Amino acid sequence: DTGVSQDPRHKITKRGQNVTFRCDPISEHNRLYWYRQTLGQGPEFLTYFQNEAQLEKSRLLSDRFSAERPKGSFSTLEIQRTEQGDSAMYLCASSWRGGKNIQYFGAGTRLSVL
Amino acid sequence: GQQLNQSPQSMFIQEGEDVSMNCTSSSIFNTWLWYKQDPGEGPVLLIALYKAGELTSNGRLTAQFGTTRKDSFLNISASIPSDVGIYFCAGPPLHSGGSNYKLTFGKGTLLTVNP
Repeated sequence: DTGVSQDPRHKITKRGQNVTFRCDPISEHNRLYWYRQTLGQGPEFLTYFQNEAQLEKSRLLSDRFSAERPKGSFSTLEIQRTEQGDSAMYLCASSWRGGKNIQYFGAGTRLSVL
Repeated sequence: GQQLNQSPQSMFIQEGEDVSMNCTSSSIFNTWLWYKQDPGEGPVLLIALYKAGELTSNGRLTAQFGTTRKDSFLNISASIPSDVGIYFCAGPPLHSGGSNYKLTFGKGTLLTVNP
């Protein structure tokens, strides 16, 4: 199965530390998305890549957040100087630009900031 | 930001019962998506709808794209224990330029099925 893969699945860190998450999309998908989900809420859009270009960032993505997709394949999401409010599930999704552009999600990385 | 209102917030049903849930918005959507999320996992796509009035089935699941393009419905027939989970509606509001890249999600309907 070559679904969307996210690593790590869980991350516990202390406030002020930097963390980095990785997402490997479905291999033929050229669009990649990051979402954040807090308890009791649906996922919220953070940012979107088409190939290696980051085309939009949500206002939710503060300056402490940075995402890259250097070769148009995998993507990383880094959070610098983590805060307790960053605790959430970070979800990655991918889609193919052609056709219906349906987004398929990975299992997510659950971040806990102590 | 845009709000998708899902109803009900939670449901407790007996195995074998049918389930109905809905999603409404103040904005027009050009695509409606229904996802299911299990604890600790990512959302899994169940059904996608693309035209007003469209009725689509996936096994015991049936979803409809409302004629006003501001709502959608999901029905589950003859529920089984593995139907337990959170059901989300999602879509790209038309004002987002019609692109499918930016999904707005509802808060979900938590379904519990008693065996």
